[in-house]
Parts: sequence; C-alpha cells; structure tokens
Amino acid sequence: EVQLVESGGGLVQPGGSLRLSCAASGFTFSSYWMLWVRQAPGKGLVWVSHIDSDGSFTNYANSVKGRFTISRDNAKNTLYLQMNSLRGEDTAVYYCARVQGYGGQYYFDHWGQGTLVTVSS
Amino acid sequence: QSVLTQSPSASGTPGLRVTISCSGSSSNIGSNTVNWYQQLPGTAPKLLIYNNHQRPSGVPDRFSGSKSGTSASLAISGLQSEDEADYYCAAWDDSLNGPVFGGGTKLTVL
Repeated sequence: EVQLVESGGGLVQPGGSLRLSCAASGFTFSSYWMLWVRQAPGKGLVWVSHIDSDGSFTNYANSVKGRFTISRDNAKNTLYLQMNSLRGEDTAVYYCARVQGYGGQYYFDHWGQGTLVTVSS
Repeated sequence: QSVLTQSPSASGTPGLRVTISCSGSSSNIGSNTVNWYQQLPGTAPKLLIYNNHQRPSGVPDRFSGSKSGTSASLAISGLQSEDEADYYCAAWDDSLNGPVFGGGTKLTVL
C-alpha cells in the first residue's frame, strides 16, 4: 500500500525557517517525481514545487522561489521541503504527493495527510 | 486568483446529475490533460479523474470527465450525500512548467 506521511510542520515566526519531510513507503520511491502542494486555510490547492526522480531537476512557484528548496533522499525514501524567510502568506497545510504520467500528462495519484505550517509572531 | 476558473459552488438533489466546469488557456488545458481531485471535509485531496476521463481503481463510474479545447467538465450522476466535497480541476501548465489548479467547487447535496 502506498503511504506518504508528512511531518515537520508547526508554528514559526515570520522570517524563520522550517523543514518539512514526507516519508514514502509501499512503492519504489526513486522511480517517481514528487511534489509539494499547499492549501491556505479556507482556500484552494496551490502548487509549491516538484522534483524529478533522482533530484536533478526541480521547479518552484514564483511565490516561493529563492526561499524554499525541495530535495529528496532516495536511500531514505524521503522528500523534503526546506522553507526559509517564512511569511504570513506561507501559512497553509502542506501536502506531498506522488507524480504519475509524462509529457504534460501528469497527475498526482497519492497524497499525504498534510502538515500544518503556521507563520505568526 | 487561480489560473483555472471554476464556479465556487454547485448543488444538486440526491439521485440527480450535476456538472462542474473548469476553464483554462492554451498553455494548460489546451495543451495537456485535465485531472480532477475530490477533497472531502477535513481530508487530503484524492485523485478522482485523470487524463481527462480516466477513473482510478475504486472510483465509481458515476463520476465522468471530459475536455474540449481549453475547457473541461466533471459530471456526477446519481448524486449521493457522500459526494458532498470540494472538487478541483488541475492541468500541467507549459509556461510555468508546473501544475495549475482551479479555485475549487464546493458541491452541496441538498
């Protein structure tokens, strides 16, 4: 059974840092692209970042570029999101998800339960 | 403001059919396939439809998807109370090189 379990969320002050983790099991983690999506309270889903299967390619939404870094450790079956210079507008539930498909036909077939990040003084 | 446009709400009575629409542009829906996600209250999103019209294993055939040009739609027939949820369309955007989502449609079963 595919499982994705996020951790690392919490309360942080503006300007602070946090690292989220997503532990994967039940599939060959190193074969899949992965991504992070966030959802602010009462709002919709927003893409944050994605990474290819070996970590050689990454991309970010403009709103987090230069502040967030996505990475993965295929030996540990774990996806990470390092978040620096956090702002109030980064407050959200952060989901990791597995990417399926290719060439523009991408979809996200398994999602974690999410971890809440609250940026507030 | 989301890149893909969805009506914020929809409603229907049990047993009937409801359609949710999603509008995009040539760089996303016009070029790539559309996926739909269902988010039940207080839970993570779940893949409902992928590649415009395909259903993952376990998704009832009451749910169907279609795409035409830069628009897509999700139809739910035989509406049930457990279908009450938020529904999001999504597609890869070639300009962003990343996915874009609709703002979500909250479905109420009356």
